[in-house]
Amino acid sequence: DAKTTQPNSMESNEEEPVHLPCNHSTISGTDYIHWYRQLPSQGPEYVIHGLTSNVNNRMASLAIAEDRKSSTLILHRATLRDAAVYYCILRFFGNEKLTFGTGTRLTIIP
Amino acid sequence: NAGVTQTPKFRILKIGQSMTLQCTQDMNHNYMYWYRQDPGMGLKLIYYSVGAGITDKGEVPNGYNVSRSTTEDFPLRLELAAPSQTSVYFCASSYGSDSGDEQFFGPGTRLTVL
Repeated sequence: DAKTTQPNSMESNEEEPVHLPCNHSTISGTDYIHWYRQLPSQGPEYVIHGLTSNVNNRMASLAIAEDRKSSTLILHRATLRDAAVYYCILRFFGNEKLTFGTGTRLTIIP
Repeated sequence: NAGVTQTPKFRILKIGQSMTLQCTQDMNHNYMYWYRQDPGMGLKLIYYSVGAGITDKGEVPNGYNVSRSTTEDFPLRLELAAPSQTSVYFCASSYGSDSGDEQFFGPGTRLTVL
């Protein structure tokens, strides 16, 4: 399985944008890029996913590099509720399983 | 919709005891999953099911058993509890395995084996 690399931790100020990077240099053509986040003492929750094009939803935006070897999750205006561990996961089409790494722990500074 | 519910929330077991972790979903999802999460680590897949009567092993199945007799329920059984099974257990479900099918997670069961 292709692997992802994320920074262990990041900090950001409240009400500012946050850019969470993910490297996936061995990504294959059928791998989708998924992001989940896990708030303290909760189960993970889906954030966003994409294949080649940038994606937007109500929670975040996903920017995918042209060569697909990296991507960035963008939280446009961080709030204290966005403090969580963010997981970048590659999932090939038709694969029902998610493989979680250790993710990036995002701290929001008031 | 309640989504994915898990019981109990917490449990302490003695070595060698057995227990069943319950998981129920009310979204009529075909796929269900059990993960465990050790402190400071990501989730690891224990077992999963693609429909009633069908189960398969994940990454770390040893020491666990599952069954799927209905679409809604997916219990996880620990037969002989060991300290290495101290972890937080998450159940999840999804409609299918398509790339856009997000997994919905329950709140977790925190298990301690002493």
